[in-house]
Amino acid sequence: DSGVTQTPKHLITATGQRVTLRCSPRSGDLSVYWYQQSLDQGLQFLIQYYNGEERAKGNILERFSAQQFPDLHSELNLSSLELGDSALYFCASSERTSGPGETQYFGPGTRLLVL
Amino acid sequence: AQKVTQAQTEISVVEKEDVTLDCVYETRDTTYYLFWYKQPPSGELVFLIRRNSFDEQNEISGRYSWNFQKSTSSFNFTITASQVVDSAVYFCALTLKYSSASKIIFGSGTRLSIRP
Repeated sequence: DSGVTQTPKHLITATGQRVTLRCSPRSGDLSVYWYQQSLDQGLQFLIQYYNGEERAKGNILERFSAQQFPDLHSELNLSSLELGDSALYFCASSERTSGPGETQYFGPGTRLLVL
Repeated sequence: AQKVTQAQTEISVVEKEDVTLDCVYETRDTTYYLFWYKQPPSGELVFLIRRNSFDEQNEISGRYSWNFQKSTSSFNFTITASQVVDSAVYFCALTLKYSSASKIIFGSGTRLSIRP
């Protein structure tokens, strides 16, 4: 158990809908990262937050957004969902933001299925 | 550009055999970090090891060992006396010290199946 929690574990929804994925980082970690794992794209970095502020963006679609709250938990919002958004979404956390050598600890993931 | 290549898509061995998973990386940076993660069938990503570019010492942890060779840009992972519980997808990954984003660049993964 990494100490990172994600809810829900599974999510089934329809095209065009909006969903919110939730992540609680390890105790003491200030950075939260979101990743998408799909069969065709592999594991891709989406976005990073540090202590409530956005720090880096990766291959995140405009239909997707995220935020980190004062209690450091984070939410990833996916809207206007398409079939291709079906994937496993991971949250990871690490202690600091400016340390690329920091180990990122991953949560169990949320498996999203868009029908 | 930075890239991580895991040429072995799938490997299947019989229990107790030794198996090596290959990882080749590309970067022009002199300071970088390499990782291995394990993704068992349950789906979570489990951290195994981190290595920085200045530390070429090989590492052994129980049945696991890692061979880092800068000369060939490789960071290979060996499991000795494999067990069925080692069955998983293994990812090699790279981060750069001077990247503006502390993001991990993952390889495509190697699916390891250990047969009883």
